[in-house]
Amino acid sequence: DAGVTQSPTHLIKTRGQQVTLRCSPKSGHDTVSWYQQALGQGPQFIFQYYEEEERQRGNFPDRFSGHQFPNYSSELNVNALLLGDSALYLCASSRLTDQRGYNEQFFGPGTRLTVL
Amino acid sequence: GQQVMQIPQYQHVQEGEDFTTYCNSSTTLSNIQWYKQRPGGHPVFLIQLVKSGEVKKQKRLTFQFGEAKKNSSLHITATQTTDVGTYFCAASGGYNKLIFGAGTRLAVHP
Repeated sequence: DAGVTQSPTHLIKTRGQQVTLRCSPKSGHDTVSWYQQALGQGPQFIFQYYEEEERQRGNFPDRFSGHQFPNYSSELNVNALLLGDSALYLCASSRLTDQRGYNEQFFGPGTRLTVL
Repeated sequence: GQQVMQIPQYQHVQEGEDFTTYCNSSTTLSNIQWYKQRPGGHPVFLIQLVKSGEVKKQKRLTFQFGEAKKNSSLHITATQTTDVGTYFCAASGGYNKLIFGAGTRLAVHP
């Protein structure tokens, strides 16, 4: 059983460009969350998708958008890239849980984005 | 918004010494999860604590959840070089959202 997979592994873009990152969740998982991890910091929640809809969103601008497909895979899109968007972007999958959030998250290996 | 504070930021120990990292919140937590991230890797789930005063052990790792459910700790006994990495606590922000602490980076010198 493959775990969470992400592509690409590394990406280099220039300011103002747009980028799309992809994630395939672990088999049996229906919820996908995206996190941004700057160097030396903890992951920051961007948003979460369930049933092809954005269910929760963190404090990120509208330049960050996403999509979930019927097979539960997901994309993260970032428009008008800034230097500060350079980070490791992590995808995490889990089964849907309730408001108490009792399910562990399975993280993918991440996409390292560098904005020049 | 909800935040979790984690200390210390860094910890350097000699192999065989003990290590502890602490996680604190100003609000009551429904649960706390702990993750380990090896250098160059991604966060890997270690454990989840739910009950007030809960203590769980995994070999040399001991996890505690405070009585008021506002703090937690991870203690490693007799560290080994394989323990190197960053340890994060994460609180539930509702449903599947996690709010991570800044992490404690552990270096183990042989």
